[in-house]
Amino acid sequence: QKEVEQNSGPLSVPEGAIASLNCTYSDRGSQSFFWYRQYSGKSPELIMFIYSNGDKEDGRFTAQLNKASQYVSLLIRDSQPSDSATYLCAVNLGNQFYFGTGTSLTVIP
Amino acid sequence: DVKVTQSSRYLVKRTGEKVFLECVQDMDHENMFWYRQDPGLGLRLIYFSYDVKMKEKGDIPEGYSVSREKKERFSLILESASTNQTSMYLCASSQSRNGELFFGEGSRLTVL
Repeated sequence: QKEVEQNSGPLSVPEGAIASLNCTYSDRGSQSFFWYRQYSGKSPELIMFIYSNGDKEDGRFTAQLNKASQYVSLLIRDSQPSDSATYLCAVNLGNQFYFGTGTSLTVIP
Repeated sequence: DVKVTQSSRYLVKRTGEKVFLECVQDMDHENMFWYRQDPGLGLRLIYFSYDVKMKEKGDIPEGYSVSREKKERFSLILESASTNQTSMYLCASSQSRNGELFFGEGSRLTVL
């Protein structure tokens, strides 16, 4: 049983638009939630983390967590071509991290 | 600045060879992890360690072993490489058990 589900995409948005990435998780005991960005051929790098219900904003990025519905999302405002990458959702459960398979995002100039 | 260094970016080995993948972190982190990443399967945890000389199996430990003799170094060992172990291997470390993971650049292993 997968712990973390993401739509694999690909998701394409025009430059300047809002990109919306979604993730659901299966275990209500999940404690912390992370979004990583991974460029092709590179390792994942942290974009955002969120522990509590609600929104958390950092620059052009907003993470949203809804524990009742067991989903976490990432919004990217004013999308740039440099945002084109695969975005990985990760959930911490029982001191282990579980990753989704990632959503591929392409920002079209 | 945070640094996780993996010894080899690209390796090509033959079936049956013993393979060592080394990972060193300079952040004094307690926790270290080995993942493999395959298309469509995402990152899967092989082994992890919360302390020196301590190791725990992850989701896919078969065919692998690990060594953590020093806090900063976590090694992944393939005793007898097989073609289905061709993959990208990612080492990571974290300061706390539910905190951010810092990843190395990855080691792409091809087993012929």
